[in-house]
Amino acid sequence: NAGVTQTPKFQVLKTGQSMTLQCAQDMNHEYMSWYRQDPGMGLRLIHYSVGAGITDQGEVPNGYNVSRSTTEDFPLRLLSAAPSQTSVYFCASSYSSQGTEAFFGQGTRLTVV
Amino acid sequence: QQQVKQSPQSLIVQKGGISIINCAYENTAFDYFPWYQQFPGKGPALLIAIRPDVSEKKEGRFTISFNKSAKQFSLHIMDSQPGDSATYFCAASIGYGNKLVFGAGTILRVKS
Repeated sequence: NAGVTQTPKFQVLKTGQSMTLQCAQDMNHEYMSWYRQDPGMGLRLIHYSVGAGITDQGEVPNGYNVSRSTTEDFPLRLLSAAPSQTSVYFCASSYSSQGTEAFFGQGTRLTVV
Repeated sequence: QQQVKQSPQSLIVQKGGISIINCAYENTAFDYFPWYQQFPGKGPALLIAIRPDVSEKKEGRFTISFNKSAKQFSLHIMDSQPGDSATYFCAASIGYGNKLVFGAGTILRVKS
């Protein structure tokens, strides 16, 4: 039981490049989400999904796309990387009921130069 | 606008002392208030959580105090240990448990 697995752990991109951050969970959780963590700002919700085929925007969705074709996977795509997207990205998953624990991955540290 | 305000930004406590971190929220629709602990290079991990129908919840050395009328909640760490040194985040959510709004975080250092 690996929990929430994120790849890669580190990534450096040039401005304008695109890439996909991978997230997979093996707990059969319905809910998955992506957050970015910036100094002094806590974690902010980018996109979330309440089940396969269903996604919605969070607080800071601009510049990011998501899809949820399976229960297990929830990739985050950066369409055209910008220096403002330099951050640590966390994927999380939880059971479907309200107020249940969100399990976080180890994070992906992304630098855009 | 920041929906959950957390203070202090950093905190230094002597071993054996009490660490207190405070959070205030604006949205009265929030109905789930967790605290997360994060060590360097790791993802946040749930420490303790409370629902607004109780005023206090204790788990070991960790206690959440909740004041619904003041829209405030706080984390108390009793008998603080060097191993408690980490960043602590308060959070709040409505409905789905994974749509969390986080505070800015508090860096706690416990001196031995």
